[in-house]
Amino acid sequence: DIQMTQSPSSLSASVGDRVTITCRASQDISNYLAWFQQKPGKAPKSLIYAASSLQSGVPSKFSGSGSGTDFTLTISSLQPEDFAIYYCQQYDSHPLTFGGGTKVEIK
Amino acid sequence: QVQLVQSGAEVKRPGSSVKVSCKASGDTFSSYAISWVRQAPGQGLEWMGRIIPVLDLTKYAQKFQGRVSLSADKSTSTAFMELSSLKSEDTAVYYCARGDTGLATDYWGQGTLVTVSS
Repeated sequence: DIQMTQSPSSLSASVGDRVTITCRASQDISNYLAWFQQKPGKAPKSLIYAASSLQSGVPSKFSGSGSGTDFTLTISSLQPEDFAIYYCQQYDSHPLTFGGGTKVEIK
Repeated sequence: QVQLVQSGAEVKRPGSSVKVSCKASGDTFSSYAISWVRQAPGQGLEWMGRIIPVLDLTKYAQKFQGRVSLSADKSTSTAFMELSSLKSEDTAVYYCARGDTGLATDYWGQGTLVTVSS
């Protein structure tokens, strides 16, 4: 199975901050990497696919980059509605696997 | 407009089975795979398996092999996840989602809480 390692596991940031989350795959997954946002008590929301493409309706303050084994999710200017848990997922091969999540909290 | 609408919360005894449904709208059933993902309380996301309804083709995570069964009713565009021999550790929210290898997950159901308790 492909292991997905996210860092940090949590971070504190202020409104307006630029935030970067990293995700590392245990083997080459090309660009088969997705990012999701989850708020308490809600289903995950799809943000990014193919490492850097925004899902329909997702604001451009979210961006993704990377290929192979190293990926990043960046939020350019953190807003109150962005405080949530973010997960990466590889969809290169079965079983699909997720990172452990990054909790973005208000400083 | 794609929607995945899941069945309601369940409370089950240890050793029993649960069957969760996921009704899809749009062209999901004709072209896409439905994956099932679970999330234990306070924990991360865990992929359980997927079904391609048009082909009736299933793939399961090794961890759940033999205990999970995915099926689909094409006439009603509804996918099902049945988990047997339930244990307290199976208490979780179960999600259906559209996606598979090579095709990123884009839509999610609202989740179904399954509580296993004696």
